[in-house]
Amino acid sequence: DAKTTQPTSMDCAEGRAANLPCNHSTISGNEYVYWYRQIHSQGPQYIIHGLKNNETNEMASLIITEDRKSSTLILPHATLRDTAVYYCIVRPNRSNDYKLSFGAGTTVTVRA
Amino acid sequence: DGGITQSPKYLFRKEGQNVTLSCEQNLNHDAMYWYRQDPGQGLRLIYYSQIVNDFQKGDIAEGYSVSREKKESFPLTVTSAQKNPTAFYLCASTSRRTGTLTNYGYTFGSGTRLTVV
Repeated sequence: DAKTTQPTSMDCAEGRAANLPCNHSTISGNEYVYWYRQIHSQGPQYIIHGLKNNETNEMASLIITEDRKSSTLILPHATLRDTAVYYCIVRPNRSNDYKLSFGAGTTVTVRA
Repeated sequence: DGGITQSPKYLFRKEGQNVTLSCEQNLNHDAMYWYRQDPGQGLRLIYYSQIVNDFQKGDIAEGYSVSREKKESFPLTVTSAQKNPTAFYLCASTSRRTGTLTNYGYTFGSGTRLTVV
């Protein structure tokens, strides 16, 4: 399975954009990039995912580099409620295997 | 509303006891998963099931057991063989439908915090 590398932590100012990087240099051609976040003592929440095109939804934008070896999750206007652990995950390259592997993620702290 | 329900939210177990954590979903999802999370750590896969009456071990299955008799339910038993069971347990599900980008996301329950006393 492709592995991901994320910074351990980052701070962000409230109201500013938060850019969360993720490296996945061993990603295979048909593996998707997923982002989840986990607010303290809750289950992880799906944010967004993509294959190779940039994606946007009501929560965030996902920018995937052309070579697909890295991606950036963008929270356009961070709020205090966005403080959470953010996980970047690559889906296994098997059609009948839906396991996702969660690493330690990036702890994002949004400050007023 | 559709979702995953885990119960109880908090569970205390005496050493040597087996306990069962409940996970029920009404999303009509085929696959279900159990993860364990220790403080400050990521999630580790315990067991998963892609269809009824079938399940596979994850990365840390020792000391745990599961069953999948119904599509909606995937209970996890923490046995006395699990030497360090105190942790946050998360259940998740996902659809196995293929072909569309939007059907692969996991839905998680709110978790059960198990403490050995």
